[in-house]
Amino acid sequence: EPEVTQTPSHQVTQMGQEVILRCVPISNHLYFYWYRQILGQKVEFLVSFYNNEISEKSEIFDDQFSVERPDGSNFTLKIRSTKLEDSAMYFCASTGRGYQETQYFGPGTRLLVL
Amino acid sequence: LAKTTQPISMDSYEGQEVNITCSHNNIATNDYITWYQQFPSQGPRFIIQGYKTKVTNEVASLFIPADRKSSTLSLPRVSLSDTAVYYCLVGDIRDTGRRALTFGSGTRLQVQP
Repeated sequence: EPEVTQTPSHQVTQMGQEVILRCVPISNHLYFYWYRQILGQKVEFLVSFYNNEISEKSEIFDDQFSVERPDGSNFTLKIRSTKLEDSAMYFCASTGRGYQETQYFGPGTRLLVL
Repeated sequence: LAKTTQPISMDSYEGQEVNITCSHNNIATNDYITWYQQFPSQGPRFIIQGYKTKVTNEVASLFIPADRKSSTLSLPRVSLSDTAVYYCLVGDIRDTGRRALTFGSGTRLQVQP
């Protein structure tokens, strides 16, 4: 069964550093998403991406965040200057073109900002 | 997306059937009901989706009464590996595949041996 993959599985960084989280969505999918989950809290939507542009974003997704699809397979989330409160699990998801498609989530990247 | 209410936690034993009910009194005509499962430190995983009556797949069954104001996820003969958080989401099928999913706190199911 095709699946969404994410790298790295874990990342530790210093406050103020830039991090790039990588995702490879399912190959024929067209819609891409990032969510995050702070430890013990709900899964929160960050951003959705379609046709090479952001289609929806939440209040969390401020100027420190950016997304990119640099080639035909990868989908990245960049945090320019990390803060302690960015520590969380970050999940990538993708979905296909059909109306009844569901979102398929990756295994996540655990980001720890020190 | 319609607001949903589900129990915070449930306990069960291996081999039992578990039913998790979700209330969604403000469900709209075009809304579908979708359930996701999340294991610790993993991403949510789609379990089942339905509009009305009953839907069954290899993992679970979903029962939706005629008024659609609630739904019940049924897990037959649970095992320890079914210990997870289960989320009920309600939204327009034209949107839910593409727009942001809004997760609540879910129901934490603990299966004991």
